[in-house]
Amino acid sequence: AQSVTQPDIHITVSEGASLELRCNYSYGATPYLFWYVQSPGQGLQLLLKYFSGDTLVQGIKGFEAEFKRSQSSFNLRKPSVHWSDAAEYFCAVGYQAGTALIFGKGTTLSVSS
Amino acid sequence: NAGVTQTPKFRVLKTGQSMTLLCAQDMNHEYMYWYRQDPGMGLRLIHYSVGEGTTAKGEVPDGYNVSRLKKQNFLLGLESAAPSQTSVYFCASSTNSGANVLTFGAGSRLTVL
Repeated sequence: AQSVTQPDIHITVSEGASLELRCNYSYGATPYLFWYVQSPGQGLQLLLKYFSGDTLVQGIKGFEAEFKRSQSSFNLRKPSVHWSDAAEYFCAVGYQAGTALIFGKGTTLSVSS
Repeated sequence: NAGVTQTPKFRVLKTGQSMTLLCAQDMNHEYMYWYRQDPGMGLRLIHYSVGEGTTAKGEVPDGYNVSRLKKQNFLLGLESAAPSQTSVYFCASSTNSGANVLTFGAGSRLTVL
């Protein structure tokens, strides 16, 4: 079965430090890849997406992600974390039109001062 | 510029009661989805629809029914609520492209006592 794994349930990063959130998917073909962010009590907001082409994609709020086919990974990065980045982050995978996204279980990011 | 609107935002039910969650989108999207979010479980797909008059089961459909009588509305029904259905429910919609970029509603928090 297709699946998405986010190995880290909870990460704490100091403000100003760099961040990397991991995401791995299980499927042979290249999927559509997404990162969403959810602030407390809010819905999900799209951070960035990868469909094809350049494997390093830029998103909103200074986030970027790199698709690595050989590792079936799509890790999210940010060079300098701000306190407002504290939220839950979801990696998601889509395979074809007409099918729903498959979400990972999420990683909660805490930012310490 | 409403996007995806869910009603109600909060509801408390007793076991065995029925209710309907309404999702409305004003973006002329073909696809609509209902997810539930539970702590540590990420988002799990309940049902989805690829067009007016069509619905399909997702990962966790038991205990729920849906209808898509109008393109802009997607209703999620609980015929006989159970405590296991206590959750936050998210509706989302997308175009019929292969990209499946979802636009989410703000969520509906349901508690079943």
